[in-house]
Amino acid sequence: NAGVTQTPKFQVLKTGQSMTLQCAQDMNHEYMSWYRQDPGMGLRLIHYSVGAGITDQGEVPNGYNVSRSTTEDFPLRLLSAAPSQTSVYFCASTTPAVSYEQYFGPGTRLTVT
Amino acid sequence: QKEVEQDPGPLSVPEGAIVSLNCTYSNSAFQYFMWYRQYSRKGPELLMYTYSSGNKEDGRFTAQVDKSSKYISLFIRDSQPSDSATYLCAMSVDNYGQNFVFGPGTRLSVLP
Repeated sequence: NAGVTQTPKFQVLKTGQSMTLQCAQDMNHEYMSWYRQDPGMGLRLIHYSVGAGITDQGEVPNGYNVSRSTTEDFPLRLLSAAPSQTSVYFCASTTPAVSYEQYFGPGTRLTVT
Repeated sequence: QKEVEQDPGPLSVPEGAIVSLNCTYSNSAFQYFMWYRQYSRKGPELLMYTYSSGNKEDGRFTAQVDKSSKYISLFIRDSQPSDSATYLCAMSVDNYGQNFVFGPGTRLSVLP
């Protein structure tokens, strides 16, 4: 099993550009989440999904969109990048029975200039 | 005041030392507690999970929760260079992964 994979590993965007961060998992997990990690702030939840076709907002959803058309994939879209979105983005997945035990991907480092 | 606080470090210790990593929190309703380990340029991985107060041991790692003081600790015995990582605490009122609040992490360096 590859676990949770994320692409790209690194990305530089200009202010106003849009892009999609990809996340895929091969563990058949119903739950998937997106977090951002900033220095001194801890992981903060952006959006999450409890199954295909179901998404909900987390703590910091503004400027981001998600969709979940399949169990395996959970892309995160930045609509119009801003310097405040410079961060490391992590995707995670888990099952409802032990939803506290999240499996994280390796992260995407995004810089917005 | 942040909901969950951790000393960011870095904390440097010699190999074999006992390490104590700590988090304080403000929400007295938290009752589920976790510790994650994050190696450089990697995603976090779950290390320990505890419910309510008390101690939990797993090999060289012991997690301790003191709800009366709103304080949790992770002890690492016989620390190894491979323990060098950032340690994140996380806690929640319920058991749902999306509701856990993460601390900012403490960077630990174990020197050979």
